Amino acid sequence: DTAVSQTPKYLVTQMGNDKSIKCEQNLGHDTMYWYKQDSKKFLKIMFSYNNKELIINETVPNRFSPKSPDKAHLNLHINSLELGDSAVYFCASSPLEGIGELFFGEGSRLTVL
Amino acid sequence: SQQGEEDPQALSIQEGENATMNCSYKTSINNLQWYRQNSGRGLVHLILIRSNEREKHSGRLRVTLDTSKKSSSLLITASRAADTASYFCATAMDSNYQLIWGAGTKLIIKP
Repeated sequence: DTAVSQTPKYLVTQMGNDKSIKCEQNLGHDTMYWYKQDSKKFLKIMFSYNNKELIINETVPNRFSPKSPDKAHLNLHINSLELGDSAVYFCASSPLEGIGELFFGEGSRLTVL
Repeated sequence: SQQGEEDPQALSIQEGENATMNCSYKTSINNLQWYRQNSGRGLVHLILIRSNEREKHSGRLRVTLDTSKKSSSLLITASRAADTASYFCATAMDSNYQLIWGAGTKLIIKP
């Protein structure tokens, strides 16, 4: 049983397209996150959802929109993809808001051509 | 924002040797966590040490925390090839609902 699963694992697309990455966790956690990891391995938090409520929205372009249909799912939709969006995107969940251990998905590698 | 700084950026040692990685941070913390990331995989939580703790062990891992110096170290004893990975520290602050991440140490264990 995969605790945090995200799909797709790989995504190759053209500039200007719209794409979505899905995430599901079966751990019963209240908080879910989206992180971006760049080519230098820096991790940057993008969004955090606690019980379906957005509690962090870092300086992320509004082309990125998180959608949480329920507390087990947090999807990431990206409009008008740009070259600079190429990165690995990680979904994570946590039982404790902000300060607890994070459980990560395997990542979705997005390549924008 | 990056609070943690890890050193070294990369470390290459022989199998069986001990590996030590360090993490420094800037502000007061609630806890500090260490994660491992194998190539092409997600991050895996290794250990969490609270601000009132000084040392913690988990198997071959030993983590120390010095809040006066705002630093932590991760020691992996008797390293194995399977320990080859990137290791990240992350700090949690009481006043902020997010973990702040270091840039990671890339550890290579040579057989």
